[in-house]
Amino acid sequence: KNQVEQSPQSLIILEGKNCTLQCNYTVSPFSNLRWYKQDTGRGPVSLTIMTFSENTKSNGRYTATLDADTKQSSLHITASQLSDSASYICVVWNAGGTSYGKLTFGQGTILTVHP
Amino acid sequence: DGGITQSPKYLFRKEGQNVTLSCEQNLNHDAMYWYRQDPGQGLRLIYYSQIVNDFQKGDIAEGYSVSREKKESFPLTVTSAQKNPTAFYLCASSDSGASNYGYTFGSGTRLTVV
Repeated sequence: KNQVEQSPQSLIILEGKNCTLQCNYTVSPFSNLRWYKQDTGRGPVSLTIMTFSENTKSNGRYTATLDADTKQSSLHITASQLSDSASYICVVWNAGGTSYGKLTFGQGTILTVHP
Repeated sequence: DGGITQSPKYLFRKEGQNVTLSCEQNLNHDAMYWYRQDPGQGLRLIYYSQIVNDFQKGDIAEGYSVSREKKESFPLTVTSAQKNPTAFYLCASSDSGASNYGYTFGSGTRLTVV
């Protein structure tokens, strides 16, 4: 069964600190892995997309890593800001099945940044 | 600006009523999707459409219906057969079936049964 598991479920940090969110997946065949940020009551917004051959990708203070051998990804946030408070969702695209493939979503990590 | 517009942002439904959620995109995307989001769970696919006048059931289609009469529009009807409709509903679109193309979400509709 294709699954995406994220940890921790929730995280509280102080403004200015760094943090790392984890994502483990069992999706096969793998096509790409995406990290999304979802503010409360809003739709998810894409942060990074990584294919099998990419180990790391950055978007400002967000850096995602991918280890396709161990099927693990992480999202590192540097110098956190209050606006980083959101749910972060790991999503894996399954290249099998229909021509449109299928996205498998993690349950998200809720990050709260306190002043 | 190109994007996906969902309306309304909040919707209240009485028991036994059908309600329709709107989703419009001006990105010229071929494919459109409806997801349901519940607290502590990943998004689950309700229906998707690859081209006009064609759509496919997702993982949790029971109690829902859709139509795709125009490329820009993909409305979702939550019928009275859906026993637990209270949730956050997200519409999305993508340019093509190639997995590396952009996948854009709307801002969501929160449906509550009263």
